[in-house]
Amino acid sequence: DIHMTQSPSSLSASVGDKVTITCRASQVIINSVAWYQQRPGKAPNLLVYATSRLHTGVPSRFTGAGSGTDYTLTIGSLEPDDFATYYCQQYFTYPYTFGQGTKLEIK
Amino acid sequence: EVQLVESGGGLVQPGGSLRLSCAASGFTFSSYEMNWVRQAPGKGLEWVSYISSSGSTIYYADSVKGRFTISRDNAKNSLYLQMNSLRAEDTAVYYCARDGRGSYSGCLDYWGQGTLVTVSS
Repeated sequence: DIHMTQSPSSLSASVGDKVTITCRASQVIINSVAWYQQRPGKAPNLLVYATSRLHTGVPSRFTGAGSGTDYTLTIGSLEPDDFATYYCQQYFTYPYTFGQGTKLEIK
Repeated sequence: EVQLVESGGGLVQPGGSLRLSCAASGFTFSSYEMNWVRQAPGKGLEWVSYISSSGSTIYYADSVKGRFTISRDNAKNSLYLQMNSLRAEDTAVYYCARDGRGSYSGCLDYWGQGTLVTVSS
């Protein structure tokens, strides 16, 4: 199975800050990475797919990047709605696997 | 509007069985691959199972293989998860999620609201 190591596990930031979350895959996954946002008590929502493509309706302050085994999600200028938990996912092969999650909290 | 609505969760004793359903609407269900993903209380996301659009190809996580069965009824726009020999560690919110198509293929572009399964005596 491909293991996704996500960091940091938690992050404290302020509105307007720029933050970056990282995922490292245990093998090359050729851009088959998605990022999800999950608010408490809600289902995950797709943000980014194929490493850098924004899902419909996702604001442009979200940016995905990476290649090979290393991938990032950057939020350019935090807004109050962005404080949530974020997960990366590889879909290069089954079983699909997720990172452990990054909880983004207000400082 | 794409909608996925899960049902069938509840409290079950260890060793028991439960069948989850996911009703799909707002898209051509028979054209999409589908998945189940679960989330234990306070924990991260775990992919559980996949089924192709026709039902001919199925995958499971090792943690549920031999105990869970995924199926679908395209005439009823419904996805199912039959869960047998349930264990305490199967306690989780279970989500059905649509597998994207085209450039979205492999990512989970729409999710249901989830149904809670609690395995406890």
